[in-house]
Amino acid sequence: DAGVTQSPTHLIKTRGQQVTLRCSPISGHKSVSWYQQVLGQGPQFIFQYYEKEERGRGNFPDRFSARQFPNYSSELNVNALLLGDSALYLCASSLRGSDTGELFFGEGSRLTVL
Amino acid sequence: GENVEQHPSTLSVQEGDSAVIKCTYSDSASNYFPWYKQELGKRPQLIIDIRSNVGEKKDQRIAVTLNKTAKHFSLHITETQPEDSAVYFCAAKMDSNYQLIWGAGTKLIIKP
Repeated sequence: DAGVTQSPTHLIKTRGQQVTLRCSPISGHKSVSWYQQVLGQGPQFIFQYYEKEERGRGNFPDRFSARQFPNYSSELNVNALLLGDSALYLCASSLRGSDTGELFFGEGSRLTVL
Repeated sequence: GENVEQHPSTLSVQEGDSAVIKCTYSDSASNYFPWYKQELGKRPQLIIDIRSNVGEKKDQRIAVTLNKTAKHFSLHITETQPEDSAVYFCAAKMDSNYQLIWGAGTKLIIKP
């Protein structure tokens, strides 16, 4: 079985540009969460989607948006990129929404903003 | 909101010795406490978790203890091996909240 897959794995953007990151959850998982991990720190929660609805949002500006598609895959969009947006963006899937079950992470998309 | 503090930030132990990493949380409503291991350049992977109705859980060389009164939980690794070298993160979550709150991480170094 395939795990959580994310694309692209690496990308370089310049300030002011926009980026779209993609995530496919484990088959059967209906919840997708997005986390930002800055080098040397723990992941910070950005969004959670369950059954195509936003169920939680972390303390991130409106430049960050996401959506979940009928097949439960998800996209994270970041507009007007800043240098501080450089980070590893992790997608995690789980079976349900607010349960305390295991999160399964993808390998991440490493974004560098120049 | 919930806040998770993790200590130490770096831990160096001799191969074969034990390692202990400690975390404290602020919100008594948190009821799920996972530990993740992240190797350099890799994804975080769950190594063990504990729920608030349990005080201790073991899985081979790894154990986690939870003290709800003091609001702290710890990861214990016995008979450490070189492949245990990684960054370990603790986290906390409550049923009513969708987000996992993470500690800052502990870099564990196993000296040969």
